[in-house]
Amino acid sequence: QVQLQESGPRVVKSSETLSLTCAVSGVSMNAYNWGWIRQPPGKGLEWIGYISDTGSTNYNPSLMSRVTMSIQTSRNQFSLQLSSVTAADTAVYFCARSFAGGSTIDYWGPGMLVAVSS
Amino acid sequence: SSELTQDPAVSVALGQTVRITCQGDSLRMYHASWYQQKPGQAPVLVVYSENRRPSRIPDRFAGSSSGNTASLTITGAQAEDEAEYYCNSRASTNDRLVFGGGTKLTVL
Repeated sequence: QVQLQESGPRVVKSSETLSLTCAVSGVSMNAYNWGWIRQPPGKGLEWIGYISDTGSTNYNPSLMSRVTMSIQTSRNQFSLQLSSVTAADTAVYFCARSFAGGSTIDYWGPGMLVAVSS
Repeated sequence: SSELTQDPAVSVALGQTVRITCQGDSLRMYHASWYQQKPGQAPVLVVYSENRRPSRIPDRFAGSSSGNTASLTITGAQAEDEAEYYCNSRASTNDRLVFGGGTKLTVL
């Protein structure tokens, strides 16, 4: 079955770059979008952006200046980099698969809490 | 602020029917999807393309839409349905995805 798993540092220092990778198993990465959503503690979901299987990106305008996503289909993984982090970036980060051309997110990783320290 | 608006909290008696709504201009153009999230867990897709369900989702969950409002109806709510529910869609002004603020469902 489709499985996604986030990995990366769980603590990032303020002003540095948060880097996460999502490993995908059980499915080809073709014909889907692969994205990231975050959830600050006790708050709602915020869409960060997605990358297509061909490398086209679509980012949340509020984060666009700090976000970079990449994809390595041969390794069945994709990545997120968020630069110049502050305490406001502390959140659970989920990687997820969404339908190409749509907004439905059908598979999610379990999520990973990343804390920004001062 | 979210472009999709949800009531913060809704309650329902065990076995009764409850409707959770999501309002936004983008819903006039795009279908909503609905997600269930329990504490400490990732969201789970329960309804998409207005009224389609993944195979693992019970048929007591149903979606509908009218004008700028999408609805998730749970017919015969069970104790395990107590969770936070989020809607999402595309934004009306650009190509980004947006989420509603979430509705906490309590089953009494």
